[in-house]
Amino acid sequence: NAGVMQNPRHLVRRRGQEARLRCSPMKGHSHVYWYRQLPEEGLKFMVYLQKENIIDESGMPKERFSAEFPKEGPSILRIQQVVRGDSAAYFCASSRASQGRGNEQFFGPGTRLTVL
Amino acid sequence: GDSVTQMEGPVTLSEEAFLTINCTYTATGYPSLFWYVQYPGEGLQLLLKATKADDKGSNKGFEATYRKETTSFHLEKGSVQVSDSAVYFCALILGQGGSEKLVFGKGTKLTVNP
Repeated sequence: NAGVMQNPRHLVRRRGQEARLRCSPMKGHSHVYWYRQLPEEGLKFMVYLQKENIIDESGMPKERFSAEFPKEGPSILRIQQVVRGDSAAYFCASSRASQGRGNEQFFGPGTRLTVL
Repeated sequence: GDSVTQMEGPVTLSEEAFLTINCTYTATGYPSLFWYVQYPGEGLQLLLKATKADDKGSNKGFEATYRKETTSFHLEKGSVQVSDSAVYFCALILGQGGSEKLVFGKGTKLTVNP
C-alpha cells in the first residue's frame, strides 16, 4: 500500500538546465497538487491537476514552469532554464475525488532541487 | 487574500511539558482547518483537522479547536515527548471554485529535549 511517491528525492541542476520532477499519486487517487517550500518559508500552492486536466494553476509562475498529469503515468512538474531562485523543496500531494471541503491530501517525501 | 499566521519558532521544551502553538487565519469564507507535521527528511502528514466552527480535532494526544469568533486553531498537547520533535504547519482549505488548495502558515519547529 504505497504512499505518494516522488522522484528524484534530490536533484542538482546548473543554471539554464531543465528540471523534471515526478509524482505518482496513491492508488485510487485522481487529484494531484504541487507545492513549493522555499528555505525558511511555509509551503506555497502551485498547481492542482486531475487526470489530463489542469484545474487551478494560480500559484504557478507564468514562465518556465509547467505541469501535467497524463492519463497514464506520473504527474510531471517541469522547470525550464532553472535559476538559483528555483532552489527549493517541491512536494506533491494526492487525494481522492473531491467530497467537499476537508478532503485529506497525502504528501510525498518531496524533491529537493538545488540550482548551482 | 486568505492566509494563515502561526507562532514563529523555534520552540524548545523539556519532555512532559505542555505545548501550545498558536495559529490564526484570515479567510473570505468558511474554511476547513488542519495541522500537519513534518518529521526530518519526510513529507507532511496530517495530524488533525476540523471542518466547522467549534469542532475539535484530536490525534496522538494533540488537540485543536476551531474558534470562529477568534479565527484561531491553536494546537495543544498536555505532555510532549522527544518523538514529537518536528515542524508543525497550520493550514486551511476554502474549497471554493472547485479548487482545494491548502494555504499554509510558515511552520513552527518544535524540539523536545529528554
